[in-house]
Amino acid sequence: SAVISQKPSRDICQRGTSLTIQCQVDSQVTMMFWYRQQPGQSLTLIATANQGSEATYESGFVIDKFPISRPNLTFSTLTVSNMSPEDSSIYLCSGVRDTEAFFGQGTRLTVV
Amino acid sequence: RKEVEQDPGPFNVPEGATVAFNCTYSNSASQSFFWYRQDCRKEPKLLMSVYSSGNEDGRFTAQLNRASQYISLLIRDSKLSDSATYLCVVNPPNDYKLSFGAGTTVTVRA
Repeated sequence: SAVISQKPSRDICQRGTSLTIQCQVDSQVTMMFWYRQQPGQSLTLIATANQGSEATYESGFVIDKFPISRPNLTFSTLTVSNMSPEDSSIYLCSGVRDTEAFFGQGTRLTVV
Repeated sequence: RKEVEQDPGPFNVPEGATVAFNCTYSNSASQSFFWYRQDCRKEPKLLMSVYSSGNEDGRFTAQLNRASQYISLLIRDSKLSDSATYLCVVNPPNDYKLSFGAGTTVTVRA
C-alpha cells in the first residue's frame, strides 16, 4: 500500500483568502484525485490531477476556484481560492495504484 | 439515480451480533467493487475488495450479485472497534475514477 501525507490537517481561514493543500505520496501512483467531503456525506470528486498538465475537473468545479498542480507522480497541490463559508469542508487527496485507492489524512477547512 | 446507493443506517448492534447491509450500483458494466471503512474524522481506508465469487476476510464477508447489481458486507461477531462508516465504492469500466456511496454507519455497543 501507499502512504499519502497531506497537510495542513486543518485550518481556519478568512473569507476572500486562499489556501493551498499539499499531498505527498511515498511511492508512485497511477492517478491522483482531489475530493471534498461534507459532514455525514460521501466523497465528491473535484478533479483528477494530471501529471505535467492541467487537471480534469468534474461538473461544478472550475480551475479558477480550485487550481491544481501535479508536477510529478508523487506530489500534488489543491488551492481553494477566494474562499467563502460555503467552502468549509474536508478536502481529501487520493492516489490510485492497481485500482486500489489510498487517501491522505484530509484537511478540515473552516472559512469564517 | 445515483451511481452508488447505500442504506445510511445507522445500524446499532450489540457486541457479538452479526450485521449485514447492501449497496446497489447503477452501471451494469462496472468491474471493480470495494468496501472502505471510514472512522469519525479520519480518511477512508480499504477494508476489502469484492470479487465475483465473494470473499471473506476474518469476520468480514463480501458478496457481489451482478444480476441484481448489488454488493453486500456481513460482519460476524461484531466488536466495538467495528463501529465506523462503511463506504461502498464502485469502479466504472475503463475509468480510474471511483464512485462512492454515502456510507452505512454501524455502531456496536457493549
